[in-house]
Amino acid sequence: AQSVTQPDIHITVSEGASLELRCNYSYGATPYLFWYVQSPGQGLQLLLKYFSGDTLVQGIKGFEAEFKRSQSSFNLRKPSVHWSDAAEYFCAVGEKAAGNKLTFGGGTRVLVKP
Amino acid sequence: DAGITQSPRHKVTETGTPVTLRCHQTENHRYMYWYRQDPGHGLRLIHYSYGVKDTDKGEVSDGYSVSRSKTEDFLLTLESATSSQTSVYFCAISSGNTQYFGPGTRLTVL
Repeated sequence: AQSVTQPDIHITVSEGASLELRCNYSYGATPYLFWYVQSPGQGLQLLLKYFSGDTLVQGIKGFEAEFKRSQSSFNLRKPSVHWSDAAEYFCAVGEKAAGNKLTFGGGTRVLVKP
Repeated sequence: DAGITQSPRHKVTETGTPVTLRCHQTENHRYMYWYRQDPGHGLRLIHYSYGVKDTDKGEVSDGYSVSRSKTEDFLLTLESATSSQTSVYFCAISSGNTQYFGPGTRLTVL
């Protein structure tokens, strides 16, 4: 069965500093990979996704993620964090068969210091 | 915006009562999903549907049932609510192998 691990439950970063959120997955083949963001009291918004091809993918709000097959990782990065990036971030892996069901990591909550 | 609405948005109920949550979509997507969100667990799949009257179980389906009699509506029913079902419930649709989520329903079972 597939699984996703986000090792960091909380991260605090200063505004303007860089951010990297870790995601490790377990899946038998090349997965579909996703990052979603959830602001307090809100639903989930898709940041970016990886299906195949170029392993560095660009998303919205200045985020990017890199797929590394050898490390089973799909880490999310942003060069310079804004106060509005304070939110919870979820990594997910999609099961290509059976309706592309998603398995989520536990999430990483990001706090941005002024 | 994937045209997904959920109702109600908030509900408080008592243990043992039945509860039905509704997910409505406006764009005729074939696949629909119900997830629950709990701290530390991310989102977990309850049930999903791949067409009218076609549904299947997810990871945490015990205590839940679903129905889909029309393409646009996917209902989640808690037959007899328990306190362990206090959670935030999200509906999603799939478009181009990507899932898009509704705004969520916060359910509290007392």
